[in-house]
Amino acid sequence: EVQLVESGGGLVQPGGSLRLSCVASGFTFSSSWMNWIRQTPGKGLEWVATIKDDGHDKYYVNSVKGRFTISRDNARDSLYLEMSSLRVDDTAVYYCARGGGWTCNLWGQGAQVIVSS
Amino acid sequence: DVVMTQSPLSLPVTLGQPASISCRSSQGLVFSDGNTYLSWHQQRPGQSPRQLIYRVSNRDSGVPDRFSGSGSGTDFTLRISSVEAEDVGIYYCMQGTHWPYSFGQGTKLEIK
Repeated sequence: EVQLVESGGGLVQPGGSLRLSCVASGFTFSSSWMNWIRQTPGKGLEWVATIKDDGHDKYYVNSVKGRFTISRDNARDSLYLEMSSLRVDDTAVYYCARGGGWTCNLWGQGAQVIVSS
Repeated sequence: DVVMTQSPLSLPVTLGQPASISCRSSQGLVFSDGNTYLSWHQQRPGQSPRQLIYRVSNRDSGVPDRFSGSGSGTDFTLRISSVEAEDVGIYYCMQGTHWPYSFGQGTKLEIK
């Protein structure tokens, strides 16, 4: 089955860290650009970060630059998002998604991240 | 950053009737390769988003042909020719031409 499965969400205090993982199956992960996109009731959908298929190029939205790191392990068909210096406004459902800007044609089920004291 | 503006934000539709959602971008969406990276995504209640249309008018695999996309430049439209109960949800346009990529606010489609 073609799917993306996220894990690693949870409750963390402001200033804390968290690592999200996304495991891909059913397609050639190593040939796919990958993304993290988050969703909040207030701000809607926000593109967070993108990584090229070989992992050499990475792009971040300004609000997470210097705090979040996107990475991948093509041998494990896995995508990661290391989040540090977390803020209350990072609270969101984080989706792993396949594709670049030209297409975002597969989404995971999402991982809830809550930043609260 | 490119701002995507959708209208209407709420769309009550009678079953079997057509529906149309507009999306406007604050900048043109033609990429340097000549393509326009505008896509539409559907989010049913309690589910993750799902892409319906990519590059303005191309339907994804498995998407019913009652869904169609059109437009150019800064103005785009998603049309549903005959709304069915399973179409209830929120529809988002997304631009993938200018970084950071961005989504519209969403249009909530409900059945009257």
